[in-house]
Amino acid sequence: GAVVSQHPSWVICKSGTSVKIECRSLDFQATTMFWYRQFPKQSLMLMATSNEGSKATYEQGVEKDKFLINHASLTLSTLTVTSAHPEDSSFYICSARSAAGGLNNEQFFGPGTRLTVL
Amino acid sequence: GDSVTQMEGPVTLSEEAFLTINCTYTATGYPSLFWYVQYPGEGLQLLLKATKADDKGSNKGFEATYRKETTSFHLEKGSVQVSDSAVYFCALSGRQAGTALIFGKGTTLSVSS
Repeated sequence: GAVVSQHPSWVICKSGTSVKIECRSLDFQATTMFWYRQFPKQSLMLMATSNEGSKATYEQGVEKDKFLINHASLTLSTLTVTSAHPEDSSFYICSARSAAGGLNNEQFFGPGTRLTVL
Repeated sequence: GDSVTQMEGPVTLSEEAFLTINCTYTATGYPSLFWYVQYPGEGLQLLLKATKADDKGSNKGFEATYRKETTSFHLEKGSVQVSDSAVYFCALSGRQAGTALIFGKGTTLSVSS
């Protein structure tokens, strides 16, 4: 149990296009989902916290108009990178936390999405 | 703000060697502490955790003790295997529901036979 999936696992796109990444909790309801970005050989940096049915809370320095986050249901959150540029190339990882402290309040991570912008 | 510092890698060991990966933290209040592991090509997996001072988390032969006096949560394993080769992340989390994890930079472990 407690599986989180991401789709796609990798994507290559042209500069200026938009890319949508999906994060799904497959067997539990996630009131909170988190989006992280990981550069090569570096740590995961929190981009935003997303609560179901409300606007995402972005970390300082993260452009909310560039990284659109939607958390429309208890099992799905999406991250859309708008007008992508080469510097947006990175590994994007989501995590999900169960509702009301279930599953020991643990965060479960998706496998990540590798984005390459040409 | 809260932060996590872990030793720089890579760490290269022979099979059956003893492993220590140091982790120290800075936080207000009493955070929960975690070690996550990321195997090549896979997502992060929780390895072990501790939620209060002097707690010892353990799993798969790995263990770490929450030391409030030294603000540390060092990861240890008595005898590593080739299959332990991965990137290890130390992390902390506040106690409030919905609090995100704060990660260290990760330490790459490479074990050879």
